[in-house]
Amino acid sequence: GAGVSQSPSNKVTEKGKDVELRCDPISGHTALYWYRQSLGQGLEFLIYFQGNSAPDKSGLPSDRFSAERTGGSVSTLTIQRTQQEDSAVYLCASSRGQGANYGYTFGSGTRLTIV
Amino acid sequence: AQTVTQSQPEMSVQEAETVTLSCTYDTSESDYYLFWYKQPPSRQMILVIRQEAYKQQNATENRFSVNFQKAAKSFSLKISDSQLGDAAMYFCAYRSSGAGSYQLTFGKGTKLSVIP
Repeated sequence: GAGVSQSPSNKVTEKGKDVELRCDPISGHTALYWYRQSLGQGLEFLIYFQGNSAPDKSGLPSDRFSAERTGGSVSTLTIQRTQQEDSAVYLCASSRGQGANYGYTFGSGTRLTIV
Repeated sequence: AQTVTQSQPEMSVQEAETVTLSCTYDTSESDYYLFWYKQPPSRQMILVIRQEAYKQQNATENRFSVNFQKAAKSFSLKISDSQLGDAAMYFCAYRSSGAGSYQLTFGKGTKLSVIP
């Protein structure tokens, strides 16, 4: 697609429920990133994919968080047994390659609210 | 680990005037990239300008320019002839240029208001 697409745009869910957030990167972009933006904070790195592999999962806050990427394209970030501190904007970005000379293109994020 | 600090949580500027947003960073690396991103209410992070540390010349993009002071580890953004559409959150970010690097480290952002 022309840009990075994320869905849903907004999600309100009850504490304890599981949620899935979707990211559809730019076609041909091999690298994909998830970041979390909590209120009043900068962006916090969660996970990076190169193709379907995730060489770095170090940013995932707990084992309730998991992510996968299939077909070198769409990625899903899953949060199990959601907690109120999970409320944040989850941003996805993709790039043509891993190197620093490749710029990121961000999506518009999913605003997740846990009630 | 690298850190990025934006000391101005909020700034305001009159339309058509010039404003400078501050950013400092901490790193032991000699080669890296620095970025300014704009985040309007739509939430999408938009790249404003990029600076490669090995380049001494300050980057410019139309009304946007940076003052990169490598020794001082300072990377400020100057917006000239401010427009209403410049109102947004602005984030400074750092990325190592080393092999295997991919992660951006962000500051906490500066909220810029433009006064008509």
